[in-house]
Amino acid sequence: ILNVEQSPQSLHVQEGDSTNFTCSFPSSNFYALHWYRWETAKSPEALFVMTLNGDEKKKGRISATLNTKEGYSYLYIKGSQPEDSATYLCASDRGSTLGRLYFGRGTQLTVWP
Amino acid sequence: ETGVTQSPTHLIKTRGQQVTLRCSSQSGHNTVSWYQQALGQGPQFIFQYYREEENGRGNFPPRFSGLQFPNYSSELNVNALELDDSALYLCASSRAGVYEQYFGPGTRLTVT
Repeated sequence: ILNVEQSPQSLHVQEGDSTNFTCSFPSSNFYALHWYRWETAKSPEALFVMTLNGDEKKKGRISATLNTKEGYSYLYIKGSQPEDSATYLCASDRGSTLGRLYFGRGTQLTVWP
Repeated sequence: ETGVTQSPTHLIKTRGQQVTLRCSSQSGHNTVSWYQQALGQGPQFIFQYYREEENGRGNFPPRFSGLQFPNYSSELNVNALELDDSALYLCASSRAGVYEQYFGPGTRLTVT
């Protein structure tokens, strides 16, 4: 994988459903993996920064896992709520210029009440 | 909110003109990165400034230039605007050596 790829591109779920998205990234020169939550007309909000293979992080109903050897990360949302509706971006940091992020195109989540 | 502000919110310019976008970083942050998000794409790295010096550049032509000031705020300048420069421009501030980056809400530039 040369670029950061996210799937699915969009997702529509009912309130209360659990959902997950995938981020694939180049496994070579890995430094860190970032997840952001981005609501329209607002600043992207940092959710997680993950650096170690096997890392798992949790923030409320949202959790993420990281596999640096195969180059993927999963983001899970348990019991989705309408306020979870947003675009979820992942970005890899390869450490060449520290903090230079390579972004995917995002997964747009819509949660219907 | 992240404490990172950008101005203006929206801007309309004509092809060939020049534009300056501004970013105020979060207190205590000495590094600012700029990104361009074209329609349907993820944000693309333009360049990063650390202690008033350019510290890494993406695949953007020299007509994209920047400045960082002693208070760590930053400007992005684009000369000879082209239609393809129409995009959302995001800045992110961070502390050198720390993973977390905090983004502003962006400036929407439209070139006609």
